Amino acid sequence: QQQVKQSPQSLIVQKGGISIINCAYENTAFDYFPWYQQFPGKGPALLIAIRPDVSEKKEGRFTISFNKSAKQFSLHIMDSQPGDSATYFCAAVNDYKLSFGAGTTVTVRA
Amino acid sequence: DAGITQSPRHKVTETGTPVTLRCHQTENHRYMYWYRQDPGHGLRLIHYSYGVKDTDKGEVSDGYSVSRSKTEDFLLTLESATSSQTSVYFCAISGTVSGNTIYFGEGSWLTVV
Repeated sequence: QQQVKQSPQSLIVQKGGISIINCAYENTAFDYFPWYQQFPGKGPALLIAIRPDVSEKKEGRFTISFNKSAKQFSLHIMDSQPGDSATYFCAAVNDYKLSFGAGTTVTVRA
Repeated sequence: DAGITQSPRHKVTETGTPVTLRCHQTENHRYMYWYRQDPGHGLRLIHYSYGVKDTDKGEVSDGYSVSRSKTEDFLLTLESATSSQTSVYFCAISGTVSGNTIYFGEGSWLTVV
């Protein structure tokens, strides 16, 4: 069974809008939570990551919010741009092994 | 660029034939991984290696074997390919060189007919 549950499966947002992707996990041994961005025909590329002792991390237009007690974390893409159209995966790391969510396809309409 | 090269990038093979995918890294990372990506499943770990000759199974290891005889190369073998193994295979690397971040290669597209 999937150790990291991700939603929604897909979303459409207007240019300039906010995209929000949510993930939840059960295994409290996870100690690192990266997000990956993947374009068609390419490998996943690390976008941003957070450790569980931090509640929020921001890099440019991308922000991770982390709720340790609820075992949930989310990615916010502010001022979404057409170039952000991609598939986004949340992940959780334990003992150097990644467990992925199923992915969210984001489409940004101009 | 994390210095990862996968080969072949695309392959079509027949059911029952053996197939080997190669992952080559140039930056001396300790950990190497093989994932497969299928629609609706995200990426799932097949096998990983934590050193030369040290490997372990992931969540979808049935039908696959791996070998790592030197630090830079991690081979994934399908002993007898089946149609259910049609997928995109990604190699990844990690270690202190990368700050323990896991980086992915560009993928190998395998079709079993």
